[in-house]
Amino acid sequence: KAGVTQTPRYLIKTRGQQVTLSCSPISGHRSVSWYQQTPGQGLQFLFEYFSETQRNKGNFPGRFSGRQFSNSRSEMNVSTLELGDSALYLCASSYKGDTQYFGPGTRLTVL
Amino acid sequence: GENVEQHPSTLSVQEGDSAVIKCTYSDSASNYFPWYKQELGKRPQLIIDIRSNVGEKKDQRIAVTLNKTAKHFSLHITETQPEDSAVYFCAASGDTGNQFYFGTGTSLTVIP
Repeated sequence: KAGVTQTPRYLIKTRGQQVTLSCSPISGHRSVSWYQQTPGQGLQFLFEYFSETQRNKGNFPGRFSGRQFSNSRSEMNVSTLELGDSALYLCASSYKGDTQYFGPGTRLTVL
Repeated sequence: GENVEQHPSTLSVQEGDSAVIKCTYSDSASNYFPWYKQELGKRPQLIIDIRSNVGEKKDQRIAVTLNKTAKHFSLHITETQPEDSAVYFCAASGDTGNQFYFGTGTSLTVIP
């Protein structure tokens, strides 16, 4: 099976802009989770979608949102970007929320 | 919610020596504990996992132990090799559908 893919791999934006990141899970996987990774902070959980419904949500402001489509692909949107949003954004897919398999990540730089 | 603490944050060992990374968790309902290895510039990769009904699991040079009473679990790497150099993350999760909580990572350097 093909692994988890994420697009784009790199993004450069300026403060105040918005951005949309995409994640395609492993075929057959219905759960997609999103994480923010920054140096020294490890992996911070953003949210998880399962069968098009947000099932879990981390402690991030409302500027961070997501959705999942009927084919399990997921998108994450960040509005009104801030410098502190610069990070590696990882998505992970799993069959039903158990063992997670990560994508390569999207490196977002906010200038 | 769950809180996972991981120690040490950095670890250097000589090639051939053993490395041990420890994690503690706070929620007794957590029952699944995976370990991920992340090489520089790459995605986290699952290397081993353990469920709460098992005390120890081994896969070649890698082993994980779990102490449910003390709420801690550890990763053991024996006969370390330079290619083991990476950042290792522990995680904890409850029943299927619960979110994963990750430790802050351990940067392991194996010195040839």
